[in-house]
Amino acid sequence: NAGVTQTPKFQVLKTGQSMTLQCAQDMNHNSMYWYRQDPGMGLRLIYYSASEGTTDKGEVPNGYNVSRLNKREFSLRLESAAPSQTSVYFCASSEVVGLFYEQYFGPGTRLTVT
Amino acid sequence: DAKTTQPTSMDCAEGRAANLPCNHSTISGNEYVYWYRQIHSQGPQYIIHGLKNNETNEMASLIITEDRKSSTLILPHATLRDTAVYYCIAIQGAQKLVFGQGTRLTINP
Repeated sequence: NAGVTQTPKFQVLKTGQSMTLQCAQDMNHNSMYWYRQDPGMGLRLIYYSASEGTTDKGEVPNGYNVSRLNKREFSLRLESAAPSQTSVYFCASSEVVGLFYEQYFGPGTRLTVT
Repeated sequence: DAKTTQPTSMDCAEGRAANLPCNHSTISGNEYVYWYRQIHSQGPQYIIHGLKNNETNEMASLIITEDRKSSTLILPHATLRDTAVYYCIAIQGAQKLVFGQGTRLTINP
């Protein structure tokens, strides 16, 4: 059981380049999330997907697009990277039990935009 | 979602109980208190959650005051591996977690 996996682990982009961050979970969870964490700060929600086929904006969605490819996979795309998007990106998944969601996080992707 | 306030940093000796406070004075009746921690730069890890009763699991205990305006996370016998940033989150449902800056807990040998 790998849990939540993310690729790549590290990436350096030049301003204006595009890339897609990949996330997959093998826990059969319905909900998946993308967060970013800037140095010294807490995590901020970018987008989430409550179930396959649905996506919703979080706190900081500008400059990003997402695709919920199937139940397992949720990708995050930067169409034109900017230095302000330098951050660590975490993917997470969860399943609801009553009103309780425990989110499981991946190891993160460290992105630098120069 | 209720705003939470936590100390920026705390220290605790190895083997002692670590008590991490959290203030959530604006919490509403249907909002849970969640605790997560983040070790180094890893992804956050769920620790425990509660609504109004005290809770205990294999990792920690959560004590919520009767008026629900504050809570304390207790790590009963802290080890060096418990050094991490601890986040207290008060939210309904917790599908969209809101992380503050948390408390940086350092366990000293």
